[in-house]
Amino acid sequence: AQSVTQLGSHVSVSEGALVLLRCNYSSSVPPYLFWYVQYPNQGLQLLLKYTTGATLVKGINGFEAEFKKSETSFHLTKPSAHMSDAAEYFCAVLSRSGSARQLTFGSGTQLTVLP
Amino acid sequence: NAGVTQTPKFQVLKTGQSMTLQCAQDMNHNSMYWYRQDPGMGLRLIYYSASEGTTDKGEVPNGYNVSRLNKREFSLRLESAAPSQTSVYFCASSVRQGYQETQYFGPGTRLLVL
Repeated sequence: AQSVTQLGSHVSVSEGALVLLRCNYSSSVPPYLFWYVQYPNQGLQLLLKYTTGATLVKGINGFEAEFKKSETSFHLTKPSAHMSDAAEYFCAVLSRSGSARQLTFGSGTQLTVLP
Repeated sequence: NAGVTQTPKFQVLKTGQSMTLQCAQDMNHNSMYWYRQDPGMGLRLIYYSASEGTTDKGEVPNGYNVSRLNKREFSLRLESAAPSQTSVYFCASSVRQGYQETQYFGPGTRLLVL
């Protein structure tokens, strides 16, 4: 069964600093990996996804993530944090069983951006 | 194109009351999902419908039922609400491209059971 671990339930960075949100997964098959962002009182918005091909994936709002099979990781980064990046971020892995597809989510990381 | 819509946005129930959460999508997606979100636990899958006419249990189905009314609509019913069902409920729909799939989420329904 697939699982996702997000290290650090809360991360604080200063505006302009590097953002690094950690995600490790376990999967018995080649994984499809996702990062979603949730702003307060809103639904989840897809930031980026890895399916196959290039291991460095670029998403919206300047975020990117790198798939590292050897480390079973899919960490999310942004070179320079902006106040508007304050939100909760969820890493997820897609599991496949026959025709069924299910997303398994990590517990989330709350990002605070300090002025 | 509204994407995934959910009604109601907020609801307060008393223990034992019933209610149905509605979800609709206008993206012509085959698959639809219901999740619940609780603090520190991420999102957990309640039920899903891989295609019109089929439904299957997810990780936490107890206390819930679902109906895939047509391709657009997927409802979640609480027959006898319990305080443990206080949560935020998200509906999602997805498009498949071979083995790949991307899920798109609605804005959520916040439910409080007293």
